[in-house]
Amino acid sequence: KAGVTQTPRYLIKTRGQQVTLSCSPISGHRSVSWYQQTPGQGLQFLFEYFSETQRNKGNFPGRFSGRQFSNSRSEMNVSTLELGDSALYLCASRSGGGEMVNTEAFFGQGTRLTVV
Amino acid sequence: DAKTTQPPSMDCAEGRAANLPCNHSTISGNEYVYWYRQIHSQGPQYIIHGLKNNETNEMASLIITEDRKSSTLILPHATLRDTAVYYCIVRRVSGNTGKLIFGQGTTLQVKP
Repeated sequence: KAGVTQTPRYLIKTRGQQVTLSCSPISGHRSVSWYQQTPGQGLQFLFEYFSETQRNKGNFPGRFSGRQFSNSRSEMNVSTLELGDSALYLCASRSGGGEMVNTEAFFGQGTRLTVV
Repeated sequence: DAKTTQPPSMDCAEGRAANLPCNHSTISGNEYVYWYRQIHSQGPQYIIHGLKNNETNEMASLIITEDRKSSTLILPHATLRDTAVYYCIVRRVSGNTGKLIFGQGTTLQVKP
């Protein structure tokens, strides 16, 4: 079956702009998480959605937001972009929610965002 | 979630076993040990996880010490394609979140 799909793969934006990234989870997966990866900070958790509800949020400013749709697809938005937002943004989907926390996460290839 | 400590880098000869250690001395009874790897410019890939028993799958084996304070991921016959950053993650069993806390990982270089 198809894996996690993230679009676009690459993006260049200007400081002050906003950006929306998309993630389509594996069919049947209801949990979607987002991560930011930078050379300095490594992989950091942004937020997690299950059944259209945000269940957990990392330590990022309010400029970072997300949502999940009824078909489990998710989007994340970053407003008022800063140079430091340049990163690889990764989406992961899991089959479970609730108590099924031991199901493994499947990651997409990521969206490489460059802010100039 | 418990913190983990891994060596920053390791080398392994192609065809030999790669043994990647992880220290998680503050692990509690309701926490699993997970291993993921990330090949350059790709998303992390799940490898294996375990609670207290040794585990094996088609990719690797996971050996967890009896006191659960450390573990070793074993790639039995490393190939050049196993060159990647390997992350050891400890995560709670209970609760309703799939959040993963990544450390800096171990960069494994498999050499011909």
